[in-house]
Amino acid sequence: GAGVSQSPRYKVAKRGQDVALRCDPISGHVSLFWYQQALGQGPEFLTYFQNEAQLDKSGLPSDRFFAERPEGSVSTLKIQRTQQEDSAVYLCASSFVLAGGNNEQFFGPGTRLTVL
Amino acid sequence: AQKVTQAQTEISVVEKEDVTLDCVYETRDTTYYLFWYKQPPSGELVFLIRRNSFDEQNEISGRYSWNFQKSTSSFNFTITASQVVDSAVYFCALRATLQGAQKLVFGQGTRLTINP
Repeated sequence: GAGVSQSPRYKVAKRGQDVALRCDPISGHVSLFWYQQALGQGPEFLTYFQNEAQLDKSGLPSDRFFAERPEGSVSTLKIQRTQQEDSAVYLCASSFVLAGGNNEQFFGPGTRLTVL
Repeated sequence: AQKVTQAQTEISVVEKEDVTLDCVYETRDTTYYLFWYKQPPSGELVFLIRRNSFDEQNEISGRYSWNFQKSTSSFNFTITASQVVDSAVYFCALRATLQGAQKLVFGQGTRLTINP
């Protein structure tokens, strides 16, 4: 079946602009995650949804970052007033929650955001 | 706090050589999961393996093998008879379970280059 999809794949924004990044998880996957991957680094957790509930947003770097998943499927990560340090690849992952929590996360191709 | 360390930033070997990628982790949880992901140039993270903290059996899958040792908090990955297609960045990741945590904590990654 289809994997996790993200759009756009590439986004160039001028500093101060707002951006919205979309994630379509694998159908039926309850959990959805957003990660930020700076150049040459490992992905870093931003936020986690179980269905429509945002259960963990401890990784969001500032109040300029906002994520939503209103119907428990598609999710949008919004960054307001973008700064150069926001330039990174934003990865979305989804997983099917199993009893006991032993579940792997399937990742999308990412959105590469460049802030000029 | 959880932490994953991949001390090898870059490794370069000639095709058909064996290569081991090191991973050391830190966690206070008694129940946790360890993962390896591959990130080819396309950028998408590809799941390779998951181990839970109660299963220290080593695993072999084709040319890939994993050595999990709780005594040294290590989860090393070996590729036997490496091939050019193995060239990628490899990430080790940890998921603790305390307080229902779901997020993955990644290491910095090891860039593996297999030369023909």
